[in-house]
Amino acid sequence: QKEVEQNSGPLSVPEGAIASLNCTYSDRGSQSFFWYRQYSGKSPELIMFIYSNGDKEDGRFTAQLNKASQYVSLLIRDSQPSDSATYLCAVKRAGGTSYGKLTFGQGTILTVHP
Amino acid sequence: DAGVTQSPTHLIKTRGQQVTLRCSPKSGHDTVSWYQQALGQGPQFIFQYYEEEERQRGNFPDRFSGHQFPNYSSELNVNALLLGDSALYLCASSTSGRTNEQFFGPGTRLTVL
Repeated sequence: QKEVEQNSGPLSVPEGAIASLNCTYSDRGSQSFFWYRQYSGKSPELIMFIYSNGDKEDGRFTAQLNKASQYVSLLIRDSQPSDSATYLCAVKRAGGTSYGKLTFGQGTILTVHP
Repeated sequence: DAGVTQSPTHLIKTRGQQVTLRCSPKSGHDTVSWYQQALGQGPQFIFQYYEEEERQRGNFPDRFSGHQFPNYSSELNVNALLLGDSALYLCASSTSGRTNEQFFGPGTRLTVL
């Protein structure tokens, strides 16, 4: 079982729709959860992170965390063609020896078509 | 304010050779992490440097080594290159107290022939 699992997609949504990206993780010691966006040929850029159960909103993006189900998701409202990219989910263990190690899923390819 | 920089952008090597990749962290950052990203995969953690010491290491062989300099810049060295080492090598910088915010550099694309 992979530590962080994502559906590789591709996920295709029409412009203006809500895109829903999902991620599950296996390590119950995970404390912080991240969503990165990666355009083709570019490096990952941080969209947002969450560490408390519930929802966290930032503009058109909402991250949702359910630690009991070991599930984290990212909703993108009013999707735009410029949102077309690979979305990477990453997790980090609680303090102590975890320092800054991020464990990534393989990413979900999102395509927003006009 | 310069972000994270990496050099070179691209590199082609042959099997058995050695390579050195370089990273300068974002201004104000003191921690550097290195990741390997194979095509179609998520980044995999190689190691992290803080205060010129390797603080944490992922599941990579000893052929992968690194260094951090007093100005916080860092190098990643890979010896005895294998075809499977072909990947995008990413450097991420952060501050020791805020490792939730890691910023990635543009990466170095390494091709091993």
